[in-house]
Amino acid sequence: AIRITQSPSSLSASTGDRVTITCRASQGISSYLAWYQQKPGKAPKLLIYAASTLQSGVPSRFSGSGSGTDFTLTISCLQSEDFATYYCQQYYSYPLTFGPGTKVDIK
Amino acid sequence: EVQLVESGGGLVQPGGSLRLSCAASGFTFSSYWMSWVRQAPGKGLEWVANIKQDGSEKYYVDSVKGRFTISRDNAKNSLYLQMNSLRAEDTAVYYCARGGYSVYWGQGTLVTVSS
Repeated sequence: AIRITQSPSSLSASTGDRVTITCRASQGISSYLAWYQQKPGKAPKLLIYAASTLQSGVPSRFSGSGSGTDFTLTISCLQSEDFATYYCQQYYSYPLTFGPGTKVDIK
Repeated sequence: EVQLVESGGGLVQPGGSLRLSCAASGFTFSSYWMSWVRQAPGKGLEWVANIKQDGSEKYYVDSVKGRFTISRDNAKNSLYLQMNSLRAEDTAVYYCARGGYSVYWGQGTLVTVSS
């Protein structure tokens, strides 16, 4: 199974900050990577798929990059509604796997 | 509007069985792979199983192989997860989702395995 690691596991930031979250796969997954945002008690929300394609309706302050084994989610200017937990997911091969998550909270 | 509505969760004893259902609407159900994803209390997301449009291919995470069965009824626009030999570590909110990476998710149904 492809292992996914995320860093950091948590971070504290202020509104207006630029935030970067990294996801690393244990083997190459091309660009078969998605990013999700999840708030407490809610289902995950897809932000980005194919490593860098912004899902329709998602604000442009979110961006994704990378291919192969190393990927990045960037929030260019953190807004209050962005405080949440972020997960990456590889869909290159079965079993599909998620990263352990990065919790973004208020500094 | 796409809707996915799970049902069938509840409290079950270790070793017991439960069948989850997911009612889909607002899209052509038979055209999409479907997934089950779970989340243990306070933990991260874990993909559980996928099923192809016609049910001919199914994939599972190792921890549920031989115990869980994913199925679908395209005539009823419904997805199912039959869960047998349940363990405490299967306790989670179970989400139904469309596709391998998922734009659309249900609200989740809680399964609690406890004596």
